[in-house]
Amino acid sequence: SQTIHQWPATLVQPVGSPLSLECTVEGTSNPNLYWYRQAAGRGLQLLFYSVGIGQISSEVPQNLSASRPQDRQFILSSKKLLLSDSGFYLCAWTRTGGHDGYTFGSGTRLTVV
Amino acid sequence: AQRVTQPEKLLSVFKGAPVELKCNYSYSGSPELFWYVQYSRQRLQLLLRHISRESIKGFTADLNKGETSFHLKKPFAQEEDSAMYYCALRGQGAQKLVFGQGTRLTINP
Repeated sequence: SQTIHQWPATLVQPVGSPLSLECTVEGTSNPNLYWYRQAAGRGLQLLFYSVGIGQISSEVPQNLSASRPQDRQFILSSKKLLLSDSGFYLCAWTRTGGHDGYTFGSGTRLTVV
Repeated sequence: AQRVTQPEKLLSVFKGAPVELKCNYSYSGSPELFWYVQYSRQRLQLLLRHISRESIKGFTADLNKGETSFHLKKPFAQEEDSAMYYCALRGQGAQKLVFGQGTRLTINP
């Protein structure tokens, strides 16, 4: 069966420090991968998605970037965090071209101080 | 542009009462629509898809293209239905889901 792992679960980082959040999927190949940010009252905002290795689509201009160095690995990064980067980040995957919904990871709560 | 609107941020009903969570969308083609649920301390998970025309945990949702709505309904609410609910849309051939703002449902005993 397929599983999705996301870590760390919580993270407290100072302003100006770098960020790296990792997401991996097991039990499938060539998944579509997604990074969302969940904010109270604003729902789920799509940040990046990837349909293949090295292919990244950015949905909103921001201080963050994403990379997909391997087929089942998706990384969310920042060189210098801002206070406004605080939030709950969710990784998700789905089969390429399917009608399935997403399967979400457990999320990372990022607090920038 | 694709947009999903959930007009109620909070909804509170009594156990045994009917529940309806509203979802309206804006999309010019034929969308795929989903409902997701997040119970306390659990992952966001798929509840149901319009394409499956299924009933999950007593919930149903019908796509109304004329009204561009996909409301989630349950005839008799249970306390374990308390959760955050998100409506989501995927356009034809699109790779991404667009989510609404979410509705927090509370079932009172």
